[in-house]
Amino acid sequence: EPEVTQTPSHQVTQMGQEVILRCVPISNHLYFYWYRQILGQKVEFLVSFYNNEISEKSEIFDDQFSVERPDGSNFTLKIRSTKLEDSAMYFCASSVSTSGLRGQYFGPGTRLLVL
Amino acid sequence: DANTTQPTSMDCAEGRAANLPCNHSTISGNEYVYWYRQIHSQGPQYIIHGLKNNETNEMASLIITEDRKSSTLILPHATLRDTAVYYCISPGGKLVFGAGTILRVKS
Repeated sequence: EPEVTQTPSHQVTQMGQEVILRCVPISNHLYFYWYRQILGQKVEFLVSFYNNEISEKSEIFDDQFSVERPDGSNFTLKIRSTKLEDSAMYFCASSVSTSGLRGQYFGPGTRLLVL
Repeated sequence: DANTTQPTSMDCAEGRAANLPCNHSTISGNEYVYWYRQIHSQGPQYIIHGLKNNETNEMASLIITEDRKSSTLILPHATLRDTAVYYCISPGGKLVFGAGTILRVKS
């Protein structure tokens, strides 16, 4: 069964450094998402992406964040200058369509630790 | 905040049906109800969704009341591996996760 994959599974970085989290969505999916979950807290929406552009983003997704689909298969989340509070599990998700027709399929996550 | 209300936790005996309720009284007429779950330390997992009619798939059944103000997710024969946090979410698109229901399946 097709699944969303994410790399790396764990990432440790120093505050102020740039990180890139990578995702390979399910191949026939058209909508892509990033969510994060700070330890012990709820899963929070960051951004949705369709047709090579951001379709919606949350307040969390400020200028330090960016997303890209560089090659038609990968979907990346970049944090330009990491802060301690960026430490979280980051989940990528993809769906065939947006609300109403299909669910979103999530990857296993990347655990980011900012020191 | 989520537009749905769920009990904080529930227990279920292994092999029995688990019935997880959700209130979504403010749902609009064309908004679907989605159910996801999150097993500890894993990514959320899509279970099922519905609009008006009851739905069933290989994982679960979804019963939606006629007025669409509430629904029940049914796991017909719960196993220990079904222990997870279950989220009822509406609408789809940008998913807004609440606290969900912690389901503990006990042997």
